[in-house]
Amino acid sequence: DAKTTQPTSMDCAEGRAANLPCNHSTISGNEYVYWYRQIHSQGPQYIIHGLKNNETNEMASLIITEDRKSSTLILPHATLRDTAVYYCIVRVSLSSGSARQLTFGSGTQLTVLP
Amino acid sequence: SQTIHQWPATLVQPVGSPLSLECTVEGTSNPNLYWYRQAAGRGLQLLFYSVGIGQISSEVPQNLSASRPQDRQFILSSKKLLLSDSGFYLCAWRTAHTQYFGPGTRLTVL
Repeated sequence: DAKTTQPTSMDCAEGRAANLPCNHSTISGNEYVYWYRQIHSQGPQYIIHGLKNNETNEMASLIITEDRKSSTLILPHATLRDTAVYYCIVRVSLSSGSARQLTFGSGTQLTVLP
Repeated sequence: SQTIHQWPATLVQPVGSPLSLECTVEGTSNPNLYWYRQAAGRGLQLLFYSVGIGQISSEVPQNLSASRPQDRQFILSSKKLLLSDSGFYLCAWRTAHTQYFGPGTRLTVL
């Protein structure tokens, strides 16, 4: 799996957009970018994933650069409940048939401030 | 919709005692199921995964074991707990594109 680099921590004002960057310069052509978050004392929560195109769902948007070497997770209107550690993971699709684990790095601690 | 349950939510056990953690999934059939452990301040460590009833693969040698007696039930066990078994235990199931995690069981071994 490609290695990812994320800032250790970020702050965001409540109601503003939170933009979380992730560098993955060694990503391979068949690897996806996945984002999860983990609120304190809870299990990780899937947010979004993408291959090449930008993606949007009810939780967030994922912007992937054209060279696919970096991406940004956008929470359009952050709330206090979005305070969590956010993990960017790059790996082949889980539909590939492999039962390999998801490898979580250290992630970014996002703190949403009132 | 699919739901994943784990119990108990928290557990405090003495060293040397047995362990049984249960995970059940609703709303899907024949899921791929996973047991992970997260030590304090650490990442997730895959312990076991199962692609079907009675089919268990172990990722890390240890004093833990897993069983899958039913399609949507995954059990993590130990005959004798060690202090190092303390941690946050997470069950997960896999869809075509990602994994979804349960709420977790926080185990403290004293």
